[in-house]
Amino acid sequence: DVKVTQSSRYLVKRTGEKVFLECVQDMDHENMFWYRQDPGLGLRLIYFSYDVKMKEKGDIPEGYSVSREKKERFSLILESASTNQTSMYLCASSLFRGLQETQYFGPGTRLLVL
Amino acid sequence: GESVGLHLPTLSVQEGDNSIINCAYSNSASDYFIWYKQESGKGPQFIIDIRSNMDKRQGQRVTVLLNKTVKHLSLQIAATQPGDSAVYFCAENRGGNTPLVFGKGTRLSVIA
Repeated sequence: DVKVTQSSRYLVKRTGEKVFLECVQDMDHENMFWYRQDPGLGLRLIYFSYDVKMKEKGDIPEGYSVSREKKERFSLILESASTNQTSMYLCASSLFRGLQETQYFGPGTRLLVL
Repeated sequence: GESVGLHLPTLSVQEGDNSIINCAYSNSASDYFIWYKQESGKGPQFIIDIRSNMDKRQGQRVTVLLNKTVKHLSLQIAATQPGDSAVYFCAENRGGNTPLVFGKGTRLSVIA
């Protein structure tokens, strides 16, 4: 079974803090993704990576950055957290791109920025 | 169906009945579709997928139907159980190497 783990289930941070969200997958997947999920807005893609040290912007990259130093790990960074970044953050990975790109998700990190 | 604004469409079904959850897509180049189930407090889980060269695919208690003419996808759940209560998302691959695009989801509520 594919396992995608996220470092924290719940996180509370203050405005202006630097926040790191870590994601690890154990299936040697090439592709990794970060989403945020807000009520009524569904899943919105923040950043994705198709290879180590590569990253591409998704639909809402502003206020975020990412790091992919190792194949199995994809980190999401909030340089200076703001209250509008309070959300559920979901990490996913996939083996393939395009046809049959099935993404497997972690359990999510619920972030509250005060 | 797809949500509009802040409210997620909700489908309420009696336990034991069949459920049908719908999804419309707009891109005629989309060639691969997936249904996900998300239970409260968890990440989305893969349920079933279908390629655009098929119009029906069956799994265990679930069937996905694809109508490319009207760009419509549906998920049918047979003999719905309380454990099926969740939010269901469709996702589509729009061709090439672009990431999946997700719908906003439908909440399925099973009445015991």
